[in-house]
Amino acid sequence: RKEVEQDPGPFNVPEGATVAFNCTYSNSASQSFFWYRQDCRKEPKLLMSVYSSGNEDGRFTAQLNRASQYISLLIRDSKLSDSATYLCVVSPGDSGGSNYKLTFGKGTLLTVNP
Amino acid sequence: NAGVTQTPKFRVLKTGQSMTLLCAQDMNHEYMYWYRQDPGMGLRLIHYSVGEGTTAKGEVPDGYNVSRLKKQNFLLGLESAAPSQTSVYFCASEDSYTEAFFGQGTRLTVV
Repeated sequence: RKEVEQDPGPFNVPEGATVAFNCTYSNSASQSFFWYRQDCRKEPKLLMSVYSSGNEDGRFTAQLNRASQYISLLIRDSKLSDSATYLCVVSPGDSGGSNYKLTFGKGTLLTVNP
Repeated sequence: NAGVTQTPKFRVLKTGQSMTLLCAQDMNHEYMYWYRQDPGMGLRLIHYSVGEGTTAKGEVPDGYNVSRLKKQNFLLGLESAAPSQTSVYFCASEDSYTEAFFGQGTRLTVV
């Protein structure tokens, strides 16, 4: 099983649609979880952190299910400007020790169409 | 606050030439990473460092070397460039539990 696995996509949706991305991770000791956004030919940037209780930021909602080792990102009322690649990121936190490393999924490309 | 700075931003090399990419961060982060990104491949980890003086191999380390002599700098070296190393290279830094910050990338072409 890959360390972090995402829906391969691509996703093509109309403006106003709701779209969900899923991500699974293999290390049950992982401590921190994030969603990043990467625009074409740009560096990845943090979109939001993911907490056990779930968190929401405007049209974006992130969920974490530790039992299933599963993370999700929901985008409501999609805008043209949401078109980007979305990356799931997992960190072992202090449990990593000398093997610590941040692990990225391959990313899911979203295109929002007018 | 500059964050993470990569130099150079663009470079064209001939096959067999060598070069060093520099990553500098001013956030006192312990962890630093070098990734390469190719179309359809996502970010692939080349090497990483969990602290000054330490380095470790990532997913695709062959053909690259790294050094972390100072906490704020992480250098990526290509000893003998090959066309397969044409890519966009990203450096990142972070501390455990916190957001990772990326440099703007280096676009390298090997001809």
